[in-house]
Amino acid sequence: SQQGEEDPQALSIQEGENATMNCSYKTSINNLQWYRQNSGRGLVHLILIRSNEREKHSGRLRVTLDTSKKSSSLLITASRAADTASYFCATAGTASKLTFGTGTRLQVTL
Amino acid sequence: EAQVTQNPRYLITVTGKKLTVTCSQNMNHEYMSWYRQDPGLGLRQIYYSMNVEVTDKGDVPEGYKVSRKEKRNFPLILESPSPNQTSLYFCATRISLAGGPYNEQFFGPGTRLTVL
Repeated sequence: SQQGEEDPQALSIQEGENATMNCSYKTSINNLQWYRQNSGRGLVHLILIRSNEREKHSGRLRVTLDTSKKSSSLLITASRAADTASYFCATAGTASKLTFGTGTRLQVTL
Repeated sequence: EAQVTQNPRYLITVTGKKLTVTCSQNMNHEYMSWYRQDPGLGLRQIYYSMNVEVTDKGDVPEGYKVSRKEKRNFPLILESPSPNQTSLYFCATRISLAGGPYNEQFFGPGTRLTVL
């Protein structure tokens, strides 16, 4: 069963704009991770935020986590055409696996 | 270069013809896993392995088998493939740290399987 649900399902923006994707989950977690997938390729890990952290940065990425609302957001600033991809959140709970959401498709146009 | 490799990358087969998708990693990771990805359903875990000779079912194990005879390899076996197993398959690995195995996963490039 899906733990994370991303919102929106699809997002189209122009180069230079910021992109925000949201993830909601249902049960308590140890950490939450974001991955990127270019069309038909393997997923690439972007960032991990632990349950006791509220915000984390990595380059143009900013992730927030609100455990009281069971939600996270991924912000990509100053987007580029190369950021066009699908983005997935994945939650790690007490079991030995990550549970992935269905993803947000991001299209960045020139 | 650290990597996860899968073979084949593309496969078209017919119902009932046994096939194996190989997965190999050179990072000495204990944990390996197989996922399938279908439109609208995201990634679903098929099987995972915490270490050599230790495997366990994921969310959608029916119709699949795995083995973990050595650390670097984790093949996915479809004994009698059916059309509903047409999907994009990913192998993934991660370090399995005692007391805190919830770290990032490294994914292979994917195997697109079509069962006619």
